[in-house]
Amino acid sequence: SQQGEEDPQALSIQEGENATMNCSYKTSINNLQWYRQNSGRGLVHLILIRSNEREKHSGRLRVTLDTSKKSSSLLITASRAADTASYFCATALQGGSEKLVFGKGMKLTVNP
Amino acid sequence: EPEVTQTPSHQVTQMGQEVILRCVPISNHLYFYWYRQILGQKVEFLVSFYNNEISEKSEIFDDQFSVERPDGSNFTLKIRSTKLEDSAMYFCASSGRGLFDQPQHFGDGTRLSIL
Repeated sequence: SQQGEEDPQALSIQEGENATMNCSYKTSINNLQWYRQNSGRGLVHLILIRSNEREKHSGRLRVTLDTSKKSSSLLITASRAADTASYFCATALQGGSEKLVFGKGMKLTVNP
Repeated sequence: EPEVTQTPSHQVTQMGQEVILRCVPISNHLYFYWYRQILGQKVEFLVSFYNNEISEKSEIFDDQFSVERPDGSNFTLKIRSTKLEDSAMYFCASSGRGLFDQPQHFGDGTRLSIL
């Protein structure tokens, strides 16, 4: 797998259900960030989790990070139709690099 | 909430022409970035810029590309002689203190179409 690879690639759920997206990466990181992209729009930052953190919450979002497994998950609880978007994980690599390395993204569809 | 703004939203250019994409980062940010996303593919890093110089660039960012911060507010990406494969969405981003504990905030992008 490549650095920052989301799983599943597409998910369709009903409003009110929870959505879980997973991200795996290969190399050591400083932090991992989740972004949302609505069709034709820019990337909206959702949450940043540092390599020494295991879990973080922001509203209906919960992110976990397991550095031993090089994986992260994003949970959206009580989903809404407005959550329909593509979601990306992006890693900030250790070693002083300034770049974010993005995964291919996951398309979430929340049906009303 | 402050945001990154990019102009134009869509640019159509003939192959071989020069193009300049413009960005206004968030005003108190110090780090600036350009990324691109070819249709259906990953978002790819192009270049980072700090203290009026390039701090990092990818192999995509060859001699045809350049960046500039001509004044205190704008950050531009220039492609000197565009190729068909430069067609993509180009995103500008900025952050306050670099990547270690600060997110990058993205603009809505410029869709570049090379004919």
